[in-house]
This record gives sequence, structure tokens and C-alpha cells, in this order.
Amino acid sequence: DTGVSQDPRHKITKRGQNVTFRCDPISEHNRLYWYRQTLGQGPEFLTYFQNEAQLEKSRLLSDRFSAERPKGSFSTLEIQRTEQGDSAMYLCASSLVFYEQYFGPGTRLTVT
Amino acid sequence: DQQVKQNSPSLSVQEGRISILNCDYTNSMFDYFLWYKKYPAEGPTFLISISSIKDKNEDGRFTVFLNKSAKHLSLHIVPSQPGDSAVYFCAAPMDSNYQLIWGAGTKLIIKP
Repeated sequence: DTGVSQDPRHKITKRGQNVTFRCDPISEHNRLYWYRQTLGQGPEFLTYFQNEAQLEKSRLLSDRFSAERPKGSFSTLEIQRTEQGDSAMYLCASSLVFYEQYFGPGTRLTVT
Repeated sequence: DQQVKQNSPSLSVQEGRISILNCDYTNSMFDYFLWYKKYPAEGPTFLISISSIKDKNEDGRFTVFLNKSAKHLSLHIVPSQPGDSAVYFCAAPMDSNYQLIWGAGTKLIIKP
């Protein structure tokens, strides 16, 4: 299966700790997206990469969030000094050219 | 301001009947729309899309209708099957970077 994969699937952390999530996109996809989803809502855009360049970042994303995509392959999303409000499902998606984005299974973050 | 709205949080339909999921949008600049399906503990899966130059797109049991004057689209599933039970999201690309703006989703329950 060559779909989008994310690791870990679940993460429980204490408030104030740093966490890092990984996303491996579909290999030929040059575009990669991170979204956050909370219960009862659709995914909320966080950031976007085209190859290794981070081209867009949501204004809603605080400075505690940072994302990288070295060499235009996998991507990492780091949250520093986690807060309880960061608890959500973090989704990664990739696409080639067209609008259809392919999503991974997500990482569920719980901040206690 | 929600640019993509799904006003029905849930919908229950008898197996074999037609399911109709609705979506409204406010931004007249949207020129492409997508429907995604999401099962619990999984990421959204692309289902069907429609360009604004069309008013209908069909793929097997799934048909999407677009009414641009009303800024309304709908997804028809016929006949509905138990495996169609999921949350359905309507989404539209915000700009050329393909950032998707999502509705809040409608939970479809297919009753046997």
C-alpha cells in the first residue's frame, strides 16, 4: 500500500511537553498539507508545502507550531509547550497537481 | 465566517433508498468542489468532485449536483448501502495552492 502514512497514530502528552509527528506522503506527490480536526468540525488548514518549500501557513497557527519537509519527502509537525487546546486529530494529506488530496489516518493528540 | 456550510449534522436513511447530503457555500469565487467520506479513526477519503463549469457529475452510485445561482451542491447516493455509513464532508479549494475549506460534515447512518 503506497498511501499516506502518519506516525504515531496516538500521542498522549502532558501540558508543556513538546511533541513531533511524522507524515510520509504518496511518493510522487509534490504537495503536502497539514490539517487539524476537532470533534464535530471539518479539517482546519495549518500549513502547506510544495516540495521542500513551506508556501503557506495559517494565521491561526501559533509560533509554537513548526513544520518541515526536508528534501521534499516526509514532513514533521512539531508542537512546543503543548496546551490542552492543542488536543485534536492532526491530519496530513498529499496531492500531485489536482485538487484531490489524499489523507493519512491522522495522529490523535491528547494533552493532559 | 463559514464559507462552506453543511447544516445537517446527521442524516438517517433506510438501506436501498436514496441519501441526499447538502452543502451551501458563500464564496462565489469557488470554482471546484469535492466530497470526502470519513470513517471513524481514519483520514478523509476523496469521493467525488465537480467543476463549476458543470452542473452534474456522476460516478457509480454517487452523483453530485451543483446549483451555482443558489450556491448549493448536493451529493446523492443511490441505492444507499450499510458501508456508506460515515461522515461526509463538502470542501472547496481556497486558492491556487489548493488549500481546502471544509464544511463541518454530515453523519450519514444507513439503517438495515
